[in-house]
This record gives sequence, structure tokens and C-alpha cells, in this order.
Amino acid sequence: EPEVTQTPSHQVTQMGQEVILRCVPISNHLYFYWYRQILGQKVEFLVSFYNNEISEKSEIFDDQFSVERPDGSNFTLKIRSTKLEDSAMYFCASGRTGGDQPQHFGDGTRLSIL
Amino acid sequence: QKEVEQDPGPLSVPEGAIVSLNCTYSNSAFQYFMWYRQYSRKGPELLMYTYSSGNKEDGRFTAQVDKSSKYISLFIRDSQPSDSATYLCAMITFGGSQGNLIFGKGTKLSVKP
Repeated sequence: EPEVTQTPSHQVTQMGQEVILRCVPISNHLYFYWYRQILGQKVEFLVSFYNNEISEKSEIFDDQFSVERPDGSNFTLKIRSTKLEDSAMYFCASGRTGGDQPQHFGDGTRLSIL
Repeated sequence: QKEVEQDPGPLSVPEGAIVSLNCTYSNSAFQYFMWYRQYSRKGPELLMYTYSSGNKEDGRFTAQVDKSSKYISLFIRDSQPSDSATYLCAMITFGGSQGNLIFGKGTKLSVKP
């Protein structure tokens, strides 16, 4: 069964450094998402992406964050200058269409900021 | 008032029991409802996806939606130790929004052999 894959599974970074999280969505999906889950808290929406542009973003997704689909298969989340509070699990998801189709998640990247 | 409320548990049941997991929500614009299962250190895995009020069955799992009461449930029959995980409800509004699933906090379930 097709799945969303994310790399790396764990990323350790010094505060202030840039980090790029990578995702390969399911191949025939057109909508891509990033969510995060701080330890012990809810899964929270960050951003949705369709047709090579951001469709929607949350308050969390400030100027330090950016997303890109550099080629036909990868979808990346960049955090420009990491903060301690960016430590979380980051999940990529994809969906065949927009809100009326379910989103399928990868296993996440655990980001640890030191 | 939080948009989606879910009792975090933990919930512990013996193998073979029927499990009932619930979420309430406040936003009547939510139209699509999902249940995800999340094992430790893994991503949410889609279990059930529903739109209409009523029941939807898939194997040992039944999802129930009551839009008039803003209440959704997931029932697990003949629960197995492999069902031990955190169960997340999630919902989304219809149209307009391109994403933005709203999750409950998750209920941690433990099924004892």
C-alpha cells in the first residue's frame, strides 16, 4: 500500500541553525500538509500546499517556516532559525483532493533543538 | 471552549472487550470526521473516515457520528492487545479549507491479554 515517507526519523540541531525536513507524499496525491505534535500535546496543523503554493497556514507557521516542492516527488519544510520550542514531532501528510478526502500521514521526524 | 474534546484516558480493558472512544466538538461547520490510530513514535494511521450522521462499519471497527449532538464515537469489538495505541479523532470543515484537520488530544488505550 502506498505510504508517505519522511526523512530523517530523528534530527538533532543546535538552536539558531536551519533545518530541512523531507517528505515524499503518496504519488497520485495533490494536497500536502505539515503538522507538528509537541510531546504530550495535540497534533497541530502548520500548513497546506496545493498547486505549488501555500493554501492555508496556521499562526504557528511564521516567517521562520517555509515549504517547498522542489521536484515532482519531494515536499520539504524548512525552519530557518530554530528555537528550543520548535522541538516536536513533525508529520507530513498528503491527500488525493482537498478537505473531502482523508489525509494520510508519514511516521514523522522527531526534531530536537539543543 | 476547545473545538474538539477527547478524554485522554488512559483506558485499560481486557482482551475481547468492546471499547468505546468518544469525542465532542463545538463547531457545527465540521462535516468530515476521522479516527486515527497512533502507535508510540509513529504517525497517525487512518482507521475510519465518515461524513454522514449514523454508523459506518469496517471489520471490528464502527464509527458513529451524531451531528445534532456534536458527538462522534469509535467502537472496537473483540479488542486485541495489538489495538493498544492512542486513538485520535480528527475533523474538518466542508469546502473552502484546503486542509487544517483539527485533532482531539487522543485517548490512550491498553488492551490486556
